[in-house]
Amino acid sequence: EVQLVQSGAEVKKPGESLKISCKGSGDTSTNYWIAWVRQMPGKGLEWMGIIYPGDSDTRYSPSLQGQVTISADKSIRTAYLQWTSLRASDTSMYYCAMTRNVGSGWPFEYWGQGTLVTVSS
Amino acid sequence: QSVLTQPPSASGTPGQRVTISCSGRSSNIGTNTVNWYQQLPGTAPKLLIYSHNQRPSGVPDRFSGSRSGTSASLAISGLQSEDEATYHCAAWDDSLKGWVFGGGTMLTVV
Repeated sequence: EVQLVQSGAEVKKPGESLKISCKGSGDTSTNYWIAWVRQMPGKGLEWMGIIYPGDSDTRYSPSLQGQVTISADKSIRTAYLQWTSLRASDTSMYYCAMTRNVGSGWPFEYWGQGTLVTVSS
Repeated sequence: QSVLTQPPSASGTPGQRVTISCSGRSSNIGTNTVNWYQQLPGTAPKLLIYSHNQRPSGVPDRFSGSRSGTSASLAISGLQSEDEATYHCAAWDDSLKGWVFGGGTMLTVV
């Protein structure tokens, strides 16, 4: 079975940069995409973007394009979510999740445990 | 504001049947399959229902899903205390070219 293990909680100041990670293990031999989903305090889930580690094909939510960067290193089965200048509004829980393809009919089958990012001066 | 609309809360007593609704539009639920996720308190979401009404291995058949037009529903029969969780619906949106979620429904077993 696939497991996704995310990096630990972060506390940052506004304007600082940050890169969080999501490492896949287990049966990851089949092709998969890794998505990032955020959950702001007391709110629902929001899809941020997705990457195919095999060739780094990346898609972003139109509402978040330009605010974050998604990348991956397929040699170590790890995907990343990166900010260059954090804002207080980036305070949220961030989940990575695995799906076998982009588009209709493909659910997020496996989820990481979440990384809590707190941005406060 | 979430693209898909869910009631913020629902409740039921042990053994009861409850349903949770999810309303969308033609570009998402009306055209594409609906998935449901269960999020137990303090944990990550878990896939509960996919392709409207399919259950991953290990999910009890007390959970079922359906779709009609641009709305979907999750039904839980024989409600148990361990079903207390937040339930999220999701679907691919052809206009946004991405996945959209509902705001989540917190289910309380009283």
